[in-house]
Amino acid sequence: KQEVTQIPAALSVPEGENLVLNCSFTDSAIYNLQWFRQDPGKGLTSLLLIQSSQREQTSGRLNASLDKSSGRSTLYIAASQPGDSATYLCASTSGYALNFGKGTSLLVTP
Amino acid sequence: EAGVAQSPRYKIIEKRQSVAFWCNPISGHATLYWYQQILGQGPKLLIQFQNNGVVDDSQLPKDRFSAERLKGVDSTLKIQPAKLEDSAVYLCASKTGGNYEQYFGPGTRLTVT
Repeated sequence: KQEVTQIPAALSVPEGENLVLNCSFTDSAIYNLQWFRQDPGKGLTSLLLIQSSQREQTSGRLNASLDKSSGRSTLYIAASQPGDSATYLCASTSGYALNFGKGTSLLVTP
Repeated sequence: EAGVAQSPRYKIIEKRQSVAFWCNPISGHATLYWYQQILGQGPKLLIQFQNNGVVDDSQLPKDRFSAERLKGVDSTLKIQPAKLEDSAVYLCASKTGGNYEQYFGPGTRLTVT
């Protein structure tokens, strides 16, 4: 069974800093990896989807990388803003559905 | 394009009562999922539908949970009878198929007292 781990569990940074969130998975035979954002009391918003044949995806200030051989993905957030405060979840697909990590709770302070 | 719709948004019931949740996926999305998210955890798959057929329900507690997707569009998830440990957010998601993105609804927050 695919296990997905996210480190750190929580992170607090001052506004303007660049930061990296880490995700590791045990089964390298994944179809894709997806990063989500979850605001308190809300559903999940998809940020980036990386297919297994790709190495990275970029959207605005966000860049996600995928290294299947090492079972790792990172989400890089440039020039963080208070509006980036949320929980970030990564999820891999190696079968029918998504296998989620527990998330990283990010707080960006003004 | 309208997103995934879910109702109700919040529900409080006593243990041993029954409850039902409704989901309307994005138009044209053949695949529909129900996930359970317990506080502090990532979502866990309960059931996956492809059109109106069940693809995977291996993690659905079938003694108390049931789900259906009539006509391959809307879906309902029912819990009967509810237990305290069923307190969670129930998320519905849909996608067109293949290795494409899943889109999530706002969720239903269930509290069992």
